[in-house]
Amino acid sequence: QVQLVQSGAEVKKPGASVKVSCKASGYTFTSYYMHWVRQAPGQGLEWMGIINPSGGSTSYAQKFQGRVTMTRDTSTSTVYMELSSLRSEDTAVYYCARANWGSLGAFDIWGQGTMVTVSS
Amino acid sequence: DIQMTQSPSSLSASVGDRVTITCRASQSISSYLNWYQQKPGKAPKLLIYAASSLQSGVPSRFSGSGSGTDFTLTISSLQPEDFATYYCQQSYSTPHSFGQGTKLEIK
Repeated sequence: QVQLVQSGAEVKKPGASVKVSCKASGYTFTSYYMHWVRQAPGQGLEWMGIINPSGGSTSYAQKFQGRVTMTRDTSTSTVYMELSSLRSEDTAVYYCARANWGSLGAFDIWGQGTMVTVSS
Repeated sequence: DIQMTQSPSSLSASVGDRVTITCRASQSISSYLNWYQQKPGKAPKLLIYAASSLQSGVPSRFSGSGSGTDFTLTISSLQPEDFATYYCQQSYSTPHSFGQGTKLEIK
């Protein structure tokens, strides 16, 4: 079945970096853009950026420019999101989500989420 | 950037009630409007895409309408499993912003 499986929870110190993976299965990896969304505890959903798994092009939210890098590995159908210079405000659940252009770009498949905790 | 504003932020209702949540975009987004349901500790789930199209497997008591800047999500007869937080989202242009969410609680 179509699914996105993310890597496990992380605990990082302020100033460190974290790299979260999202492995796709059940569909043609390069045919669907992938987005990253985060959710701080008790807060709403925040869009972080998008990657085209086919060519690797990316677009990031202004808020994360310079700190976030999204990459992909087509050989393993995996996308990655790396966030650097972590601060306590980056404590959140990070989701990958597939965009379906047949649904006008709606996010039809989501990963299970990866909890990233930033604490000294 | 396009701002998405949902109302209300929270809502108390009873099983069987008809409920409407509204979402307004700061500029026209045509029909590039999606609705998600999120339950505690779970990833969001797509309910409605393209403003009014029901995602496969979603019960028909959910419906969406609108175009341009004003949109609504309606639940025709609330079921116990519908108590959750609902988000609208625009996929018209990046950043693909979300509304702040509407928490639907049991009265």
